[in-house]
Amino acid sequence: DSGVTQTPKHLITATGQRVTLRCSPRSGDLSVYWYQQSLDQGLQFLIQYYNGEERAKGNILERFSAQQFPDLHSELNLSSLELGDSALYFCASSVTPGQRDEQFFGPGTRLTVL
Amino acid sequence: KNQVEQSPQSLIILEGKNCTLQCNYTVSPFSNLRWYKQDTGRGPVSLTIMTFSENTKSNGRYTATLDADTKQSSLHITASQLSDSASYICVVAGNAGKSTFGDGTTLTVKP
Repeated sequence: DSGVTQTPKHLITATGQRVTLRCSPRSGDLSVYWYQQSLDQGLQFLIQYYNGEERAKGNILERFSAQQFPDLHSELNLSSLELGDSALYFCASSVTPGQRDEQFFGPGTRLTVL
Repeated sequence: KNQVEQSPQSLIILEGKNCTLQCNYTVSPFSNLRWYKQDTGRGPVSLTIMTFSENTKSNGRYTATLDADTKQSSLHITASQLSDSASYICVVAGNAGKSTFGDGTTLTVKP
């Protein structure tokens, strides 16, 4: 158990819909990262937050947005969902903002868009 | 462009055998290199982290090596077990603070 929690574990929805994925980082970690992993693909970095502020952006679509709240939990919002958005979405956390630090990954949310 | 290439893409070995996974990178300047193990459908778990000055690091039956001059790393697994079946991901961090992920090597250990 990494100490990072993600909810829900599974999510099934239809095209065009909007969903919110939630992540709670490890106690003491200020940085949160979001990754997308499509079937049989590598991890794709989406976005990073540090202490409530956006720190770095990766290959995140405009239909996707995220935020980190004062209690440090983070939410990833996916809207106008398409079939291709079906994937595992992982959250990770680390102590400092540097991406060179070890990141601890949550169990992931499996999103299925029908 | 910073890149991390892993080989082989997939590997099948018999239980008890050793194997070595490769990671070549072009990330520069270099900060550290991390190996993760990812079981199917689960989040990655860190195995080793190596900085520029370290050329080998062990974690149980896993031993990672780093040659910063040739920009190559390897992950050696000794006396493989069925539970070693997973994807192994190489991640390289640059000094600018960004990490580049490899696509992973899928290892299957058969009895």
